[in-house]
Amino acid sequence: AQTVTQSQPEMSVQEAETVTLSCTYDTSENNYYLFWYKQPPSRQMILVIRQEAYKQQNATENRFSVNFQKAAKSFSLKISDSQLGDTAMYFCAFMFSGGGADGLTFGKGTHLIIQP
Amino acid sequence: DAGVIQSPRHEVTEMGQEVTLRCKPISGHNSLFWYRQTMMRGLELLIYFNNNVPIDDSGMPEDRFSAKMPNASFSTLKIQPSEPRDSAVYFCASSPGGNVGNQPQHFGDGTRLSIL
Repeated sequence: AQTVTQSQPEMSVQEAETVTLSCTYDTSENNYYLFWYKQPPSRQMILVIRQEAYKQQNATENRFSVNFQKAAKSFSLKISDSQLGDTAMYFCAFMFSGGGADGLTFGKGTHLIIQP
Repeated sequence: DAGVIQSPRHEVTEMGQEVTLRCKPISGHNSLFWYRQTMMRGLELLIYFNNNVPIDDSGMPEDRFSAKMPNASFSTLKIQPSEPRDSAVYFCASSPGGNVGNQPQHFGDGTRLSIL
């Protein structure tokens, strides 16, 4: 079984700053996917970014980028030029890639607060 | 394009009552997932279906919980009898299946369940 650990329960930064959220995972699998989901107070689960484990290049989506270190089993999320709307819970998630769909294993989340 | 639709959005009921949560996945999606979110345990996978067939129900907490997917456009999660510790937000998600890394899970808005 895999586990996902987010060691920062809460973080607070000023608007326009850059912030990095940490995530580590443990698995014996070689093929998998990693995700960051955002959950604002509305409780929607919104996909922020995803990374295929077989790809060495780090994924980027506008202001969001990841630092994927497969050997270290680390998958951090960097948010550049943070905005008030980035305030939310952020969940790191793992999914085994064995062919076909599989469930997500989530970390406990990081509550990110962007201060004006 | 309509997203994953869950009903009801909120449910308050007394201990011992039967509770039925409903989910309509995105049309054309072949995989459906039920998750539970609590403060103590975070987001947990309860069960998932591929092509209407339950694949992994190891996350279902006990026999009081059951899930069905009678057709490709509808699923239910039932709790009978309900207990206060079942209070949580229950999410349904769907994905196209197949090469799921490029086709992530889409979440509904969740059902907040309160058992008194």
